[in-house]
Amino acid sequence: QKEVEQNSGPLSVPEGAIASLNCTYSDRGSQSFFWYRQYSGKSPELIMSIYSNGDKEDGRFTAQLNKASQYVSLLIRDSQPSDSATYLCAVKRYPGGYNKLIFGAGTRLAVHP
Amino acid sequence: DTAVSQTPKYLVTQMGNDKSIKCEQNLGHDTMYWYKQDSKKFLKIMFSYNNKELIINETVPNRFSPKSPDKAHLNLHINSLELGDSAVYFCASSQEKGKDTEAFFGQGTRLTVV
Repeated sequence: QKEVEQNSGPLSVPEGAIASLNCTYSDRGSQSFFWYRQYSGKSPELIMSIYSNGDKEDGRFTAQLNKASQYVSLLIRDSQPSDSATYLCAVKRYPGGYNKLIFGAGTRLAVHP
Repeated sequence: DTAVSQTPKYLVTQMGNDKSIKCEQNLGHDTMYWYKQDSKKFLKIMFSYNNKELIINETVPNRFSPKSPDKAHLNLHINSLELGDSAVYFCASSQEKGKDTEAFFGQGTRLTVV
């Protein structure tokens, strides 16, 4: 079992719709969760972080965390063509007291006009 | 002012050569990482350093040797390059103390071994 799992996609949504991206993780001891966006040929950039159960909203983005189910998701409202990218779920673990940031394989999102 | 910078951005070299990639961060972070992103776009951690000390060493061939002269720099030296080493290598940094901090990435180094 991979430590962080995501559907590779592509997830195709029409412009203006809600895009829903999902991620599961295997280590119950994980404490910090991140969503990164990566455009083709570019480096990952952080768009959301979440540390406690529930929802966290930032503009058009909402991150949801359920530690009991080991599940984290990202909702993108009013999707725009500029949101088309690969979205990477990342989980921070603390083996031996140090950070270890583990990434999923990413979900490719395509927003079509 | 670039937060995490890597050089070079592109590197094309022949099999068997030795090459180095440099990384510097000006964020004052105490932890730096090297990640490898393969053709399938999977971002895999290779090494992590905290205050110049190696703390994470994933299953990486010993041809790869990281070096951290100080906590703002983490370089990666690769000996006897192989075709399978072709990938994009990303450097990143974060603050270890205070767990609620994200990692910032450099622009990546696209290594092509021919």
